[in-house]
Amino acid sequence: QKEVEQDPGPLSVPEGAIVSLNCTYSNSAFQYFMWYRQYSRKGPELLMYTYSSGNKEDGRFTAQVDKSSKYISLFIRDSQPSDSATYLCAPSGGYNKLIFGAGTRLAVHP
Amino acid sequence: NAGVTQTPKFQVLKTGQSMTLQCAQDMNHNSMYWYRQDPGMGLRLIYYSASEGTTDKGEVPNGYNVSRLNKREFSLRLESAAPSQTSVYFCASSESQETQYFGPGTRLLVL
Repeated sequence: QKEVEQDPGPLSVPEGAIVSLNCTYSNSAFQYFMWYRQYSRKGPELLMYTYSSGNKEDGRFTAQVDKSSKYISLFIRDSQPSDSATYLCAPSGGYNKLIFGAGTRLAVHP
Repeated sequence: NAGVTQTPKFQVLKTGQSMTLQCAQDMNHNSMYWYRQDPGMGLRLIYYSASEGTTDKGEVPNGYNVSRLNKREFSLRLESAAPSQTSVYFCASSESQETQYFGPGTRLLVL
């Protein structure tokens, strides 16, 4: 079993839709939970992160962590074609080491 | 600030050939990383360096060697390339658990 499981998609939604991206993880020691966004043929870039359980909001993006069920979510409101990318969840394994999910490919069509 | 730079951008090798991928960062970060990215596998850590002068194996180190030349530079060497090493390689650097900054990647094809 992988430490981090993420549905690879692809996920295709119309512009303006609410998008829900999810990961599950197995290691209860994870404390930091990152979401990276990767555009085609580019390097990943940090979108946002959450420490421990709870929600964090940044504009149209909300990150949510439920440590009791080991479940990580990223919600995108009012999705835009510019949100089309691959989204990678990455809990922190300590010592600045990240464990990446496989990534979910999202396409937002006008 | 250039951030994290990688060279080359693209490389084709024959089986058995060797090459070194170069990475440099100008953010004065202590930690640097090498990942490979394959379809459906996400990013997998090959090697990392927590600080200048130290290196440690990651999840998939076999067939690779690294050198932390100084605080800025971290190179990845393939001594005898194999088709299974066809991948996209990313270098990253960080100063904290939350944020790793990635380079643009090197696409490697081994025939």
